[in-house]
Amino acid sequence: DAGITQSPRHKVTETGTPVTLRCHQTENHRYMYWYRQDPGHGLRLIHYSYGVKDTDKGEVSDGYSVSRSKTEDFLLTLESATSSQTSVYFCAISESSYQGYEQYFGPGTRLTVT
Amino acid sequence: DQQVKQNSPSLSVQEGRISILNCDYTNSMFDYFLWYKKYPAEGPTFLISISSIKDKNEDGRFTVFLNKSAKHLSLHIVPSQPGDSAVYFCAASYGQNFVFGPGTRLSVLP
Repeated sequence: DAGITQSPRHKVTETGTPVTLRCHQTENHRYMYWYRQDPGHGLRLIHYSYGVKDTDKGEVSDGYSVSRSKTEDFLLTLESATSSQTSVYFCAISESSYQGYEQYFGPGTRLTVT
Repeated sequence: DQQVKQNSPSLSVQEGRISILNCDYTNSMFDYFLWYKKYPAEGPTFLISISSIKDKNEDGRFTVFLNKSAKHLSLHIVPSQPGDSAVYFCAASYGQNFVFGPGTRLSVLP
């Protein structure tokens, strides 16, 4: 298994509070991603990073920000959490194979905003 | 507008039989396709992939077929086992851009 950890694994927070989720990898992969998973939508990309301090927006980036100050860490911040951000959040890393890029996922963080 | 579709939310098959999971895509730029399996309370795990220059890729009990003209791919699991019961996500990519389908829940009945 790829060395990816996420913290916390579960969090309950109140509307309007800031929340930061952490993804840590030990694989030294260049690319890191944050997804959210919701019923009927599969996995939707929030933000991704293609190197230290290099990030870009994904499909559902509104209300989220990210930072990557080290290769191994990718942080996702909800500046002011809303109930619509209740979801399961997955971090992923990717590396190229001889065919293309493959992603490997962390165990997920279940976030509940009350 | 979903670029990757999995039109069957769920599928049930008997143990030992073949499971066929389907996926359709709309973007012709996709050149690499992947299948992931997800158990409850775990992250998705990579299962098998196929490049757009191929029409079939096989790995043990798992085979992925790609029909580029129809923009359709399928995952065949033979024989199906109870441990295969999970949600299966199809994903399509070009470069570092990945798009996932909504998933199909497979139940393999003993």
